[in-house]
Amino acid sequence: DAGVTQSPTHLIKTRGQQVTLRCSPKSGHDTVSWYQQALGQGPQFIFQYYEEEERQRGNFPDRFSGHQFPNYSSELNVNALLLGDSALYLCASSLRGGWNTIYFGEGSWLTVV
Amino acid sequence: GESVGLHLPTLSVQEGDNSIINCAYSNSASDYFIWYKQESGKGPQFIIDIRSNMDKRQGQRVTVLLNKTVKHLSLQIAATQPGDSAVYFCAENNRRGGGSNYKLTFGKGTLLTVNP
Repeated sequence: DAGVTQSPTHLIKTRGQQVTLRCSPKSGHDTVSWYQQALGQGPQFIFQYYEEEERQRGNFPDRFSGHQFPNYSSELNVNALLLGDSALYLCASSLRGGWNTIYFGEGSWLTVV
Repeated sequence: GESVGLHLPTLSVQEGDNSIINCAYSNSASDYFIWYKQESGKGPQFIIDIRSNMDKRQGQRVTVLLNKTVKHLSLQIAATQPGDSAVYFCAENNRRGGGSNYKLTFGKGTLLTVNP
């Protein structure tokens, strides 16, 4: 049973460019969240997707957008990249409802130069 | 606003000792707490969770204690091993009775170093 999988694992982008990160949730999970983790900090919530709609959003600008597909996989898009967007981007998944555990993937390391 | 903080940023223990990692939270509405372990270059790994209607929960070599009166959470690791070396995060959530809130709020983490 595969856990949460993310791609790519590492990437380098230039300021002003756009990036797309991908996530496949753990088998059986239907809710996907994205987090940004700067070096030496705890993860910060970006947004949550369920039934292909954004359900919750953290304190991130509109440059950060996402999508969830019918198979529950998800994408995180960041436009007009800034140097400060350099971070580990984590995808988390869960089965909605109750007290179900939230599992994280290994993340995508984004470096903006 | 919501915040979760840790008392100690680093903790160094000898192999075989017990470790205790502490965490304070400020949102009294939080009803679900999770401990994650994060090794260098990897994503957070679920260790154990506890709901606000419990004071203690045990797993394999780990115990989480919750004191709602002082808004304090702790993770106890028994017989700490070198493989336990990592950053440990506590996270809080308000599930609103198992509802739709999946935003976890994390603290900065505690670096645990286990000396052989």
